[in-house]
Amino acid sequence: DTEVTQTPKHLVMGMTNKKSLKCEQHMGHRAMYWYKQKAKKPPELMFVYSYEKLSINESVPSRFSPECPNSSLLNLHLHALQPEDSALYLCASSQVGRVRYNEQFFGPGTRLTVL
Amino acid sequence: AQKVTQAQTEISVVEKEDVTLDCVYETRDTTYYLFWYKQPPSGELVFLIRRNSFDEQNEISGRYSWNFQKSTSSFNFTITASQVVDSAVYFCALLRSTNKLIFGTGTLLAVQP
Repeated sequence: DTEVTQTPKHLVMGMTNKKSLKCEQHMGHRAMYWYKQKAKKPPELMFVYSYEKLSINESVPSRFSPECPNSSLLNLHLHALQPEDSALYLCASSQVGRVRYNEQFFGPGTRLTVL
Repeated sequence: AQKVTQAQTEISVVEKEDVTLDCVYETRDTTYYLFWYKQPPSGELVFLIRRNSFDEQNEISGRYSWNFQKSTSSFNFTITASQVVDSAVYFCALLRSTNKLIFGTGTLLAVQP
């Protein structure tokens, strides 16, 4: 059983809609990540939060807005998306601290379709 | 340059065959970690193994084994006696101190019954 959960599993939205993706982890990790994965491609890093602060933004368009309300939750707010934003969005978490090279644990993902 | 290469795009084997997935990496870092992840059709990335740059000891876990060779910058993954449930995309990845995972392009493994 995964300890990183994501909701919803599937999302279909129009280009004018506003929606949010949610991620929750119960492992006490203090780093959380958003990845975007297109079909037949590897995941691409979008954002990294460390201790609830945004530490990496990989030049993601502003129509994607991350939020980390607390150490267990990570949201991705979506607004005015384009059809090319359709993809699998993966959330991950990992430890931080003295051991910096920590494996990331992934959630099951949200399959997003933008019409 | 930091890069992970998985030259095998797709591999098809028959159940019970052994199969090796290749991974070659490039990095100038002296400290780094290498990972293998499995992604079944359901989409979730499942962590399989972590290996640090100072530990070249090979590892075996059940039917899975990993061969890390720093001299050739390779971290290959072997499945012994493959099963249909092994069918998935397998990603090799390199982790640097920035917490950024660099993924290879993945190898799609199809195990036929």
